[in-house]
Amino acid sequence: DIQMTQSPSSLSASVGDRVTITCQASQDISNYLNWYQQNPGKAPKLLIYDASNLETGVPSRFSGSGSGTDFTFTISRLQPEDIATYYCQQHDTLPWTFGQGTKVEIK
Amino acid sequence: QVQLQESGPGLVKPSQTLSLTCTVSGGSISSGRYYWSWIRQPAGKGLEWIGRIYTSGSTNYNPSLKSRVTISGDTSKNQFSLKLSSVTAADTAVYYCAREVRVTAIHDYWGQGTLVTVSS
Repeated sequence: DIQMTQSPSSLSASVGDRVTITCQASQDISNYLNWYQQNPGKAPKLLIYDASNLETGVPSRFSGSGSGTDFTFTISRLQPEDIATYYCQQHDTLPWTFGQGTKVEIK
Repeated sequence: QVQLQESGPGLVKPSQTLSLTCTVSGGSISSGRYYWSWIRQPAGKGLEWIGRIYTSGSTNYNPSLKSRVTISGDTSKNQFSLKLSSVTAADTAVYYCAREVRVTAIHDYWGQGTLVTVSS
């Protein structure tokens, strides 16, 4: 299985801050990387697909980049409603695998 | 609007079989554009992909669960189901059903999730 390693596991930032999460794959996955947001008690919601494509309806403050094994997810200006856990997920090789998640909190 | 809804027992005894059904509305599981998937999440932990079924009936399973998992579909009811045998406490989790877009592997619609606890 392809292992997905996210960092940090949690972070605390102020409203308006730039937030960056990284995700590293254990092997080359090209750009087959999605990012999901999960609020407590809710199902995950797709934000970014194929590393850098913003899902329809998702605010433009969310962005993603990277290819190969190293990926970055950015919230350009953190908003209170962005408090959630974020997961990366590879879809290069079955079984699909997720990172362990990054919990974002407001400082 | 596509909606998915999981249903099934919330409590299963160890060594027994966990059975869940996902009812899809607003879309057909017979559509060749999608896979229909199961994903689970133990409390406070990350997401684990369990497997998926395609309209043809073909399935893919996570090798870590393959010997215990069966996913099937019922097109007449627009439902698909998960069976996980020989469960232990480690199988306690929230179980989600989701739609995966075939070409992009995006999970674009999810059920709300259902908690299944394995306990005697």
